[in-house]
Amino acid sequence: GAVVSQHPSWVICKSGTSVKIECRSLDFQATTMFWYRQFPKQSLMLMATSNEGSKATYEQGVEKDKFLINHASLTLSTLTVTSAHPEDSSFYICSARGPGRSNQPQHFGDGTRLSIL
Amino acid sequence: DAKTTQPNSMESNEEEPVHLPCNHSTISGTDYIHWYRQLPSQGPEYVIHGLTSNVNNRMASLAIAEDRKSSTLILHRATLRDAAVYYCILRDPYSGGGADGLTFGKGTHLIIQP
Repeated sequence: GAVVSQHPSWVICKSGTSVKIECRSLDFQATTMFWYRQFPKQSLMLMATSNEGSKATYEQGVEKDKFLINHASLTLSTLTVTSAHPEDSSFYICSARGPGRSNQPQHFGDGTRLSIL
Repeated sequence: DAKTTQPNSMESNEEEPVHLPCNHSTISGTDYIHWYRQLPSQGPEYVIHGLTSNVNNRMASLAIAEDRKSSTLILHRATLRDAAVYYCILRDPYSGGGADGLTFGKGTHLIIQP
């Protein structure tokens, strides 16, 4: 089945550092990818929709200047958390909808656990 | 996406069937019922989806009520590896061109006892 790969799996860094997370669709082309964030004991919250070749669409309350999204190819989207602070520590997960009809399921990466000291 | 209601948690014994309910009384005619599950420290995993008829795949079965206001995910023989949070999500592929992200509720935390 369709596979989405996310890298790195976990990151620990100092406050003020910028962190880049990669999301790749390994065996299909994804014109649209999604980025979610999950805090401990909470459900996933959609942050933004990443569109290949165009600007990302951010959900209300998500700072676009802080969470930079680049979707330069049909198989790669990146999320950069700029000047990260401890409150940005979370589990970040990407997904891509499988090819074909629009009711196809989404395929998720295994997530990136970000810890800001 | 229309709202769904699921029990916060359920407990079952290993090797027994599990029935996970989901209520979606405001479902529209074009909403598909999707189920995903999330194992600890992993991203969600697609389980099954359907529109009106019951659906079966290698992971589970989906039983949809005739009025489509509720559905049940059936794990025929639970194993310890099925312990996860199960999410029931409605998706309208004709809304946003299928390009919308998923709206996750709290889901059902399934506990499997050995």
